[in-house]
This record gives sequence, structure tokens and C-alpha cells, in this order.
Amino acid sequence: GGIITQTPKFLIGQEGQKLTLKCQQNFNHDTMYWYRQDSGKGLRLIYYSITENDLQKGDLSEGYDASREKKSSFSLTVTSAQKNEMAVFLCASSIIQALSYEQYFGPGTRLTVL
Amino acid sequence: AQSVTQPDARVTVSEGASLQLRCKYSYSATPYLFWYVQYPRQGLQLLLKYYSGDPVVQGVNGFEAEFSKSNSSFHLRKASVHWSDSAVYFCAVSHNTGYQNFYFGKGTSLTVIP
Repeated sequence: GGIITQTPKFLIGQEGQKLTLKCQQNFNHDTMYWYRQDSGKGLRLIYYSITENDLQKGDLSEGYDASREKKSSFSLTVTSAQKNEMAVFLCASSIIQALSYEQYFGPGTRLTVL
Repeated sequence: AQSVTQPDARVTVSEGASLQLRCKYSYSATPYLFWYVQYPRQGLQLLLKYYSGDPVVQGVNGFEAEFSKSNSSFHLRKASVHWSDSAVYFCAVSHNTGYQNFYFGKGTSLTVIP
């Protein structure tokens, strides 16, 4: 088995601040994802990466940057934090092979902007 | 447009009672269907998945789900719930090309009363 680690677990920032969230996986999966989870709104895709150095925008990419410099890690940057913003950011990974498309998730980073 | 609808935001049942959580999807291609569970302050964990074949699939902890193509549904069931089943349950749909095409419902929060 493997594990996805997200750091930090809790992130508190100021309005306008640039904030970076990190994700590491040891599944040796090719594809990694960043989702934003807001209460009552399910999961919305921010960015995904098919392999290292690849970046693809999801539905919610505005206001975010991402970086995939290694196969095992995927970082997300909030370019300018919005006041009163509260959300959980979930990192996931998957391997695309026959009959195995499920995503595996990390525990999340909880963001609060003051 | 692709979408997943979980019509019940919150469900409360008594311990030992049976459970059904509803999921309807709208998807243009042959869907791959998933149920995930999220316990407090944790990431999402896969409960079960359906790709093809027998429309009733078994998952972990006594959960099962039934795929209905005619109703575009993938409802989750459990014969007898336990207090530890209290969590948020997400239905998701994907396509057989993987990558970005993962769509999540907004989730159903289940509370099991002892």
C-alpha cells in the first residue's frame, strides 16, 4: 500500500498573501490532482498533472498555480488569498490502467484566511 | 453536461436500521461509478466501484451499491448501520479514459443515532 501526505494540515494566512500547499505520494502513481472542498459544494477540481512537469487546469484554476517537479510531489499555490476564505484542499493520485481508475486521497489541508 | 446529484444533503438513521443513500448521474459516455466515504478531518476513502458486469457491487464494511442504467442511478445500501458509519458519503462518476473526467456529488452527511 501507499500513502498521500499533505502539508501543512492547517494553514492560516492573511488577505493577499501567497500560500503554498504541498502533497507527496508514494504509490508511484502517474497522475495527481488538487481539489477544493467547500461545505455543501462537493469537490471541485483545481489542477491535475498527468506526469511530472505536466499541468492541466481544472474548472477552478483561477487564483491558483501548481507545480509538479517530481513524480511523487505536487504543489498548489494560492496566488492571493481572499479574506474570509475557508476551505479544505484535497490532493489525490491515480494510476490509469485497465479496470483501475479510482483516486486515492490525502487527509487535506484546511485553509483559513483572516 | 456531466453531473452527479445526491438529493439528500443529510440523513439520520438509528443504529441497526437499513440505509439507502441516493445518487443520480448524468453522463454522456459509459460511466464508471464510485462511492467514497469521508470521516471527520480525513480524506476520502473508496467504498466501492462499478465498471461493468453485475449491477450490484459489494464494498467494504457491508456496503453495496446497485447500478441502474435505465434510471441513471447508483444507490448505496447497507442492511444494518453502525454508529461508526457516521460520515459524509460522496458519489462520483468517471469515464473510461480517466484523467480529469471525475465528477463528484455534493455529498450526503450520514448520522447514525445509537
